Amino acid sequence: DTEVTQTPKHLVMGMTNKKSLKCEQHMGHRAMYWYKQKAKKPPELMFVYSYEKLSINESVPSRFSPECPNSSLLNLHLHALQPEDSALYLCASSQDPRGPKNIQYFGAGTRLSVL
Amino acid sequence: AQSVTQLGSHVSVSEGALVLLRCNYSSSVPPYLFWYVQYPNQGLQLLLKYTSAATLVKGINGFEAEFKKSETSFHLTKPSAHMSDAAEYFCAVSAEGNTGKLIFGQGTTLQVKP
Repeated sequence: DTEVTQTPKHLVMGMTNKKSLKCEQHMGHRAMYWYKQKAKKPPELMFVYSYEKLSINESVPSRFSPECPNSSLLNLHLHALQPEDSALYLCASSQDPRGPKNIQYFGAGTRLSVL
Repeated sequence: AQSVTQLGSHVSVSEGALVLLRCNYSSSVPPYLFWYVQYPNQGLQLLLKYTSAATLVKGINGFEAEFKKSETSFHLTKPSAHMSDAAEYFCAVSAEGNTGKLIFGQGTTLQVKP
């Protein structure tokens, strides 16, 4: 089983709202990732968690706040977003971030619209 | 710097014809390479991976890819296209430094005509 589950599938929020995206995997993977994807573009890496510690932040604005409560769960907290933040947000996981174990499996994504 | 180039942002084939999607990479270390497929409004699905074992890699849905070090290529092929193959395809390489980062190509849209 290579399933990564993301909720919700769709989210509409105003610029003053606070919301959270959730990602879960039960494959025993110790690396988890958040990506942002705009239409007709490849995914852009936002954050990497390795063994529950934040290892990479790709200069993401502070209105995006990641959290990794345990090895199976990854959250992305959203606050005061801008319309240009509307995109597909993808979560992925891999056994390990290093070498041949960095085979990433993606969730179906959350389609976010910021009004 | 590492990079991935997918030649052809849009490829159109007839149903039953050969599918060839091109991917070239640059890397100063032995690469780990991946092909992903994305159907509309869905996430990325792993098609196949090269992690320094056999150079000809077989994946799901009848796809395969051949790693050619001398040509720095990892082209994706399928002998006979099916309508259900119409999707966006991304080639990716693991970034140097064991950070977990993947470097993606810009993607190729595959259209399959009846």
